[in-house]
Amino acid sequence: EVQLVESGGGLVQFGGSLRLSCAASGFSISPSWMHWVRQAPGKGLVWVSRSHNDVSTTNYADSVRGRFTISRDDATNTLYLQMNSLRAEDTAVYYCAYTMSFPFDFWGQGILVTVSS
Amino acid sequence: QSVLTQPPSASGTPGQRVTISCSGSTSNFGSSLVNWYQQLPGTAPKLLIYSNNQRPSGVPDRFSGSKSGPSASLAISGLQSEDEGEYHCAAWDDSVNGWVFGGGTKLTVL
Repeated sequence: EVQLVESGGGLVQFGGSLRLSCAASGFSISPSWMHWVRQAPGKGLVWVSRSHNDVSTTNYADSVRGRFTISRDDATNTLYLQMNSLRAEDTAVYYCAYTMSFPFDFWGQGILVTVSS
Repeated sequence: QSVLTQPPSASGTPGQRVTISCSGSTSNFGSSLVNWYQQLPGTAPKLLIYSNNQRPSGVPDRFSGSKSGPSASLAISGLQSEDEGEYHCAAWDDSVNGWVFGGGTKLTVL
């Protein structure tokens, strides 16, 4: 069974850093598109970043480029999102998502990140 | 401000047919396929429709999708109380080189 479990969220100050993890089980993240998608309170979904190992590709939304870094550890089957220079508008539930056959066909349960003074 | 445009809300009574629209531009809908996600209250999104009109295994045929030019639609027939939640459209956008979502439509079953 495919499972994605996010961790590492919490409360962080303006300008601070946080690293999210997404532990995958039931499949190998190595040859797959893996994504981070976020949802601010009461708002819609916003794609943040994606990574594919085989084609050595990473992409970012303009709003996070230069501040966030997506990475993966295929040995532990874990996806990461390093978030630096955090702003109030980064406050959201962050979802890890996986494209197995179709775009975002599996999602984690989400983890809350709150950026505050 | 989302790149794809959806109405913020929709509603219907049990058994009714409801449609939710999603509009885009040539940079996304011009060459990309549209996908729809259902997000029930307090849960993560779930893939509902992919490639404009295809249902993943397990999704009831009450749910259908269509796309024509810069617009796409999700139709839900035989509306049920458990369909209440938020519905999001998404597509790849060549101009931003990334995925874009609509703002989400909150569906209420009256």
